[in-house]
Amino acid sequence: QLQVQESGPGLVKPSETLSLACSVSGGPVSSSSYFWGWIRQPPGKGLEWIGSIYYSGSTYYNPSLKSRVSISVDTSTNQVSLKLSSVTAADTARYYCASGRSYYYGMDVWGQGTTVSVSS
Amino acid sequence: QTVVTQEPSVTVSPGGTVTLTCASSTGAVTSAYYPTWFQQKPGQPPRALIYSATNRHSWTPARFSGSLLGGKAALTLSGVQPDDEAEYYCLLNYGQTMIFGGGTKLTVL
Repeated sequence: QLQVQESGPGLVKPSETLSLACSVSGGPVSSSSYFWGWIRQPPGKGLEWIGSIYYSGSTYYNPSLKSRVSISVDTSTNQVSLKLSSVTAADTARYYCASGRSYYYGMDVWGQGTTVSVSS
Repeated sequence: QTVVTQEPSVTVSPGGTVTLTCASSTGAVTSAYYPTWFQQKPGQPPRALIYSATNRHSWTPARFSGSLLGGKAALTLSGVQPDDEAEYYCLLNYGQTMIFGGGTKLTVL
């Protein structure tokens, strides 16, 4: 059964780059059976889709974050990574990694999330 | 900029039935948007309930049903239980972009 778990520094300084990893177990991250997504949730607020990466290597990003975000997969570590540059306090949130089998099934496997605070 | 709209809050009595909706600023929501519904309780990650508008996951109780209703995606809870009190989010897939609704806080009272 596919499982995902997020990890990364809990504190990032303003203007620096936030880097998170999503460790995948139960299947290869390179599998054509899955796509991967990152979603975040600021404290007390709703969910925001950050972006997704597909088997083909295609990536799609939230237009509001597109200039600062990058999602990639590392087959050697079986991880999906998220990088968000030039962070500000507005990027403080709980970050979730999720997986789906296709557009049809949607993202049905979620990690517990990891909290990132942006502060000097 | 596309906006997905949900009712901010809804209250229902135990045992009652309630319908939450999900609208798109671009027009009618259809199955082409692969509407997905999530339930989130405090301190927990979202849990997928419904995919492609009408399909329950294997773990989704039968009292949850999804539909397309009047140009919106809809989530109906029948025989509501106290444990259903949670935030509910819809997600629409616009192809290269996915957008969450703002969420509906469901209170069971």
